[in-house]
Amino acid sequence: GESVGLHLPTLSVQEGDNSIINCAYSNSASDYFIWYKQESGKGPQFIIDIRSNMDKRQGQRVTVLLNKTVKHLSLQIAATQPGDSAVYFCAENRRSGGGADGLTFGKGTHLIIQP
Amino acid sequence: DAGVIQSPRHEVTEMGQEVTLRCKPISGHNSLFWYRQTMMRGLELLIYFNNNVPIDDSGMPEDRFSAKMPNASFSTLKIQPSEPRDSAVYFCASNVGSNEKLFFGSGTQLSVL
Repeated sequence: GESVGLHLPTLSVQEGDNSIINCAYSNSASDYFIWYKQESGKGPQFIIDIRSNMDKRQGQRVTVLLNKTVKHLSLQIAATQPGDSAVYFCAENRRSGGGADGLTFGKGTHLIIQP
Repeated sequence: DAGVIQSPRHEVTEMGQEVTLRCKPISGHNSLFWYRQTMMRGLELLIYFNNNVPIDDSGMPEDRFSAKMPNASFSTLKIQPSEPRDSAVYFCASNVGSNEKLFFGSGTQLSVL
């Protein structure tokens, strides 16, 4: 998995399998976290977000889990499809009170879906 | 919904030339952000505007970089003179107020030779 500030890792999964992308964040005071998907040649697209008062949030085929004790965030993608191949970024907001200017992005994890 | 629109998509220029990147935010969004993306440093915030006013430009690398937002529907990021180390993908993003969810454009791939 990725950690804000480390190299870009790669995760390869078979089509139809579930994938889990991990992210370690650094600031225990961060109260908002967000996942973006970036396909080749495109800008980051919002996937799902979660506030620190929650442990889990579900979307369509995606689930984000937050473990504040160990400062860990994960993105689970169910029944992966070829279109899920992309780089996935997590970001934390280190600034209390909101405002996207406080977002700090990780370098991302490259998810490859094998046919 | 057209999304955030950036131009050009690709820019190749020679060292020392002036480069101007353009961005049209989503209609109704009052905050606009310029980011730079490289493999080494990931996504870095350069500057952001709120209601067309620059709020924080501490991420702008040096005086060669400047950004303007003359109205709510247009912003430019200018590099003068450009250097090879400026080669990167530059993204513009917009959102509303203190909302933390950003909407990104497709980016401008800049290559300075």
